[in-house]
Parts: sequence; C-alpha cells; structure tokens
Amino acid sequence: NAGVTQTPKFQVLKTGQSMTLQCAQDMNHNSMYWYRQDPGMGLRLIYYSASEGTTDKGEVPNGYNVSRLNKREFSLRLESAAPSQTSVYFCASNVKGSYSNYGYTFGSGTRLTVV
Amino acid sequence: QKEVEQNSGPLSVPEGAIASLNCTYSDRGSQSFFWYRQYSGKSPELIMFIYSNGDKEDGRFTAQLNKASQYVSLLIRDSQPSDSATYLCAVRGDSGAGSYQLTFGKGTKLSVIP
Repeated sequence: NAGVTQTPKFQVLKTGQSMTLQCAQDMNHNSMYWYRQDPGMGLRLIYYSASEGTTDKGEVPNGYNVSRLNKREFSLRLESAAPSQTSVYFCASNVKGSYSNYGYTFGSGTRLTVV
Repeated sequence: QKEVEQNSGPLSVPEGAIASLNCTYSDRGSQSFFWYRQYSGKSPELIMFIYSNGDKEDGRFTAQLNKASQYVSLLIRDSQPSDSATYLCAVRGDSGAGSYQLTFGKGTKLSVIP
C-alpha cells in the first residue's frame, strides 16, 4: 500500500518554464489537497478537490492550476514559474464525511527551485 | 481567516523530561484537532487527533483540548532525542463543500537534549 505518491521529488526550473507536479493516492480517499511549505510560513493551501470532478482555490492559488484527473490523481501545474514559487510542495488526501476525524495522509513532497 | 498559532520555539528539554507544546485557534466552529510531527526534510506524520474536550492519551503522547479557551496542547512524556522534530498543530473546520480542510500552525521546533 503506497499511500500518497508524488513525482518528481526534486525539480529545478528556469523562470518562465512550466511543469506539472503529479500526485496519486491508493487509499480510496475522496478529498485531495496541494500545500506549499516555506520557512517561517508553515503549510499553506494552494488548491483542493473535495471529490472527483470538483476543485477549489485555497489560500495561495495565484500562479497555479489543478486537475482532478480521477479519484486517484490530482495534479498541480505551474504555467510560468517564478522564483517566488520556490518551495516544498506537499500533496495530501483524506476521507470525506461528517464523522471523519482522520487527518491527512501526506506524500513525500516535491522540492522545487525556480532560478 | 482561520488562524492557528504556535510558539515557533525552539523548545529545548532534557532527555526524560516532559515536553509541552501549545496551540491556540481562532475559529470557534473548529471540530477536530490534530498534531503532526515533521522531521527535517520529511513530510508531516499524524501522531494524535482529538475532538472532545479533555485529554486523550496514546503511549507517551497526551493531547489536551479546551474548546472554551480555544486551546489545544500536546504533552510528550519521557522525551527522547528521537522526538526532536517540528510539531504542527492543525485544526479542521467544515468548508461546507464536503471537504474537511486542515489549517496548520507554523509549527514548534522541539529539541530533546541527551
């Protein structure tokens, strides 16, 4: 059982380049999330998908787009990378439902540097 | 804007002592509360969750919740050097869209001194 798998683990981009971060979970979770983590800023929500077919903006969505490809996969795209997007990106998932007290399961992260 | 506040630390405790980590939150509608441990360069790992007022114990960890004071804490008994990590407090509300997003504090860095 792999849990949440993120690819790639490391990436260096030049300013203006585009890329897609991939995330897949095999736990049959409904909801998936993309966060970025920066020193002194904590984890900040970029986008989330409550269920297959829906996506919504989080706290810091500018410069990003997402696609919920199916129940398992949720990708994050940077159309024109900027140095301010240098960060560690985490994908996470959890179950859906009023009585769900379970937190997220996180992927291992993608360390992105934009030069 | 929901806020979750933690003392950034570092909090240093000697091996074998009790480490006390604190967290306050702004949204009175928050329903569930989580503690994550994050080692340097790794992803956060869930160690405790609590949703009722009072204490919840799991091994050396105790989570305490006081909804009236909007306060949640984590106690680590018999602290070990392997407990040295950043501890993230997270709070879950109800977005109304069926997704139960977590809002995270910035974390408290704990250092256990041998």
